[in-house]
Amino acid sequence: AQSVTQLGSHVSVSEGALVLLRCNYSSSVPPYLFWYVQYPNQGLQLLLKYTTGATLVKGINGFEAEFKKSETSFHPTKPSAHMSDAAEYFCAVILTGGGNKLTFGTGTQLKVEL
Amino acid sequence: DGGITQSPKYLFRKEGQNVTLSCEQNLNHDAMYWYRQDPGQGLRLIYYSQIVNDFQKGDIAEGYSVSREKKESFPLTVTSAQKNPTAFYLCASSTQLPYHYGYTFGSGTRLTVV
Repeated sequence: AQSVTQLGSHVSVSEGALVLLRCNYSSSVPPYLFWYVQYPNQGLQLLLKYTTGATLVKGINGFEAEFKKSETSFHPTKPSAHMSDAAEYFCAVILTGGGNKLTFGTGTQLKVEL
Repeated sequence: DGGITQSPKYLFRKEGQNVTLSCEQNLNHDAMYWYRQDPGQGLRLIYYSQIVNDFQKGDIAEGYSVSREKKESFPLTVTSAQKNPTAFYLCASSTQLPYHYGYTFGSGTRLTVV
C-alpha cells in the first residue's frame, strides 16, 4: 500500500534561514507527488508538484524541490525564510492504480521566528 | 475566475441536529471530495464522487451523508449520528485523472457543536 511520511510535525526556523520540509513515500513505482500549503482557517493551496519530466521543480513563494527516486523523497526547500511562510504544509501522493485519490501526510507546522 | 466555494465559513450545530455544508465548483471537474481536518491528524477522507449520481465512502464516512445530483455541487450532511462533529471541513475537486494538477480546494467550513 502506498503511504507518505512527513518528518517533523513542527519545524521552527529563523527569518532568513533555510527552510527544509521532508516527505518520503513508500512505493515501488514512482508516484505523483504534491505539496500543499495551508494558512490558518483557509483551504489548501498547491505549493509544488512532481508528475513527470524534470526532477527539480519550482513552486510558489520561492520553494523548490527535487524528486529523488533512489531516496524515495521529495523535500521542498526555500533559501531564505520569511514570516509569511509560517503555515502548515502537507505532502500528498497519488499512486497510479490506487483509485486516483490523494493520500496526505499528517502535516508539518512551520514556525518562522525573528 | 473558476474555483470552489464552500459555505458557510462558520457553522454552529446544536446536539442532535443535522447540518448541511455546501460545496460548489465551476471548474467543470468530474470528481469531488470531502475531507475532515482535526489538529495533528492531517486530512481524512469522508466521501468522494467521481461522477454525477455516484459516490463512495472514504475512511471516516460514519455519521455523514452526501449527494451528487449535479456536477457542480457536492453537499455534505453531518448527521446527529456523528458523535464528534466539531472540525474543519474541506471540499476539493479534480479532473477524473488528477495526476498532473492534483486537487483544487475550497476555503473550508469550521463546524462547532454548541
